[in-house]
Amino acid sequence: KNQVEQSPQSLIILEGKNCTLQCNYTVSPFSNLRWYKQDTGRGPVSLTIMTFSENTKSNGRYTATLDADTKQSSLHITASQLSDSASYICVVSAPSGGYNKLIFGAGTRLAVHP
Amino acid sequence: DARVTQTPRDKVTEMGQEVTMRCQPILGHNTVFWYRQTMKQGLELLAYFRNRAPLDDSGMPKDRFSAEMPDATLATLKIQPSEPRDSAVYFCASGLDGGMEAFFGQGTRLTVV
Repeated sequence: KNQVEQSPQSLIILEGKNCTLQCNYTVSPFSNLRWYKQDTGRGPVSLTIMTFSENTKSNGRYTATLDADTKQSSLHITASQLSDSASYICVVSAPSGGYNKLIFGAGTRLAVHP
Repeated sequence: DARVTQTPRDKVTEMGQEVTMRCQPILGHNTVFWYRQTMKQGLELLAYFRNRAPLDDSGMPKDRFSAEMPDATLATLKIQPSEPRDSAVYFCASGLDGGMEAFFGQGTRLTVV
């Protein structure tokens, strides 16, 4: 069964600190892996998208890594800010029925405290 | 600026009533997705449209849910009759076929009492 698992489920850090969120997947084959940020009461917003041939991609203070051999990805947040408080969702895109289906992880809820 | 627009943002309705949620995809996008998000299940795909044609609605309870695209600028998701277990946030997303990006709307929070 195609699955995307994220850890930890939730995380609390102090403002200014770094943190790393993990994503393991069993989806195969896959087209790309995405990290989304979802603020409370809003829709998910894309942070990074990586194909299987890419192993790192940055978007400001967010850096995603991908190891397609071990089927693992991580999202590293540097110098966290209060506005980073949100849910971070790992999503794997897999070809299915003629289109790329998105398979969502359950998300990691991050709280950044002053 | 280009964004996916969903209406209404919030809807409270009584069990048994019909609910219609609307989505305006980003102009020029030819794929539309409907998702449902709950605390328990996370984000689940309900329906997928390409060029206004429904290509995947396997995630949608067919007895009460229906999704349509009357034209390229409007997608609708209807529940009739609604039940308390339908309470969730419903998201619409649009993109370009072959493209990698999917842009989400702000969602419709549905509460069925």
